[in-house]
Amino acid sequence: QQQVKQSPQSLIVQKGGISIINCAYENTAFDYFPWYQQFPGKGPALLIAIRPDVSEKKEGRFTISFNKSAKQFSLHIMDSQPGDSATYFCAAGTNSGGSNYKLTFGKGTLLTVNP
Amino acid sequence: NAGVTQTPKFQVLKTGQSMTLQCAQDMNHNSMYWYRQDPGMGLRLIYYSASEGTTDKGEVPNGYNVSRLNKREFSLRLESAAPSQTSVYFCASRGAGGRTGELFFGEGSRLTVL
Repeated sequence: QQQVKQSPQSLIVQKGGISIINCAYENTAFDYFPWYQQFPGKGPALLIAIRPDVSEKKEGRFTISFNKSAKQFSLHIMDSQPGDSATYFCAAGTNSGGSNYKLTFGKGTLLTVNP
Repeated sequence: NAGVTQTPKFQVLKTGQSMTLQCAQDMNHNSMYWYRQDPGMGLRLIYYSASEGTTDKGEVPNGYNVSRLNKREFSLRLESAAPSQTSVYFCASRGAGGRTGELFFGEGSRLTVL
């Protein structure tokens, strides 16, 4: 079964606009929720992450909003730039404080920011 | 500091051939992972190694074997390649200590099975 559901599959935004990508999960054992950014031909790289004890985390133009009761979290990119054009993956991890750690990914969102 | 290095970057195989994807990390990380990435499917975990000497199955282990050769190296082997194994394979590692859940990824190995 798909443990982390991500939407939309693709997103087109104008420069300066807000990009919003949503994810939902079922497994309440998840204790770490990162977002990864991937450019063509490269491996994914951590963008921003949140733990379930906070509802929001902001780093520059990137914000994660987390709703524990709804089991949903989202990525907001403010003032989107053409350089933000990439594929974004949400993910959820179990046992992040221990050695037997696993990360489950959503299917990805291809973001295109038009100039 | 190279991070996570994967070889080869590209490979074409015929159905039934075997090959090994190599991965090495120079960050003294304990845990290592192999994922495959397919269009519209995201990244799916094949196998992982929580520490040197241990390996465990992930979500899609069938058709693959792994070896944690030492703390630095984690290889993925396809014994009899099938077209369904055409994919981009990513190796990743995670450090010890703290509560970080960050995985560091290599740049991928692109495999085509004809």
